[in-house]
Amino acid sequence: KAGVTQTPRYLIKTRGQQVTLSCSPISGHRSVSWYQQTPGQGLQFLFEYFSETQRNKGNFPGRFSGRQFSNSRSEMNVSTLELGDSALYLCASSLDPRTGSEQYFGPGTRLTVT
Amino acid sequence: EDQVTQSPEALRLQEGESSSLNCSYTVSGLRGLFWYRQDPGKGPEFLFTLYSAGEEKEKERLKATLTKKESFLHITAPKPEDSATYLCAVRSQGAQKLVFGQGTRLTINP
Repeated sequence: KAGVTQTPRYLIKTRGQQVTLSCSPISGHRSVSWYQQTPGQGLQFLFEYFSETQRNKGNFPGRFSGRQFSNSRSEMNVSTLELGDSALYLCASSLDPRTGSEQYFGPGTRLTVT
Repeated sequence: EDQVTQSPEALRLQEGESSSLNCSYTVSGLRGLFWYRQDPGKGPEFLFTLYSAGEEKEKERLKATLTKKESFLHITAPKPEDSATYLCAVRSQGAQKLVFGQGTRLTINP
């Protein structure tokens, strides 16, 4: 069974630009969550989608947004990039968060903002 | 607010030297405690889920246990390939998100 895939794996952007990251969950998983990982802050929750609806959102500015499609694939977008947005962005999928099921992570997208 | 604290931050062991990693948590109604392993430059790899105090799970050289306030990840006779950062996370009854600790960076020397 294929795992969670994320594209692209690496990105270099300039301050002020915007970026879109993509995530394909494990087949049959309907929930997708996004996390930001930095050396200083560790893993921080961005948002979660289930059945195309955002169910939870972390404490990030409105520049961070996302969506989920009918096939459960998800995208996240960051507008007006800042240097502090440089991080590893991780996507995780689970069967149904309402049951407390575990999340499986993808390899991440390494975003560097210069 | 849900909180997770892991200790120690880093641990260096000799091959075969058993030890334990600690995860202390504060959560309003535990709906699951999760252990992950993360290698450099990769996404976290799921290891265990624990749901209630007294529960134990095992996988190869790893054993996870859970009390009402903390969880332990016991590593028995570790090998160099067990070197990684081990992350603990909790999910509370009132939220769907996972709250992660800062992790324990484990190094096993041959």
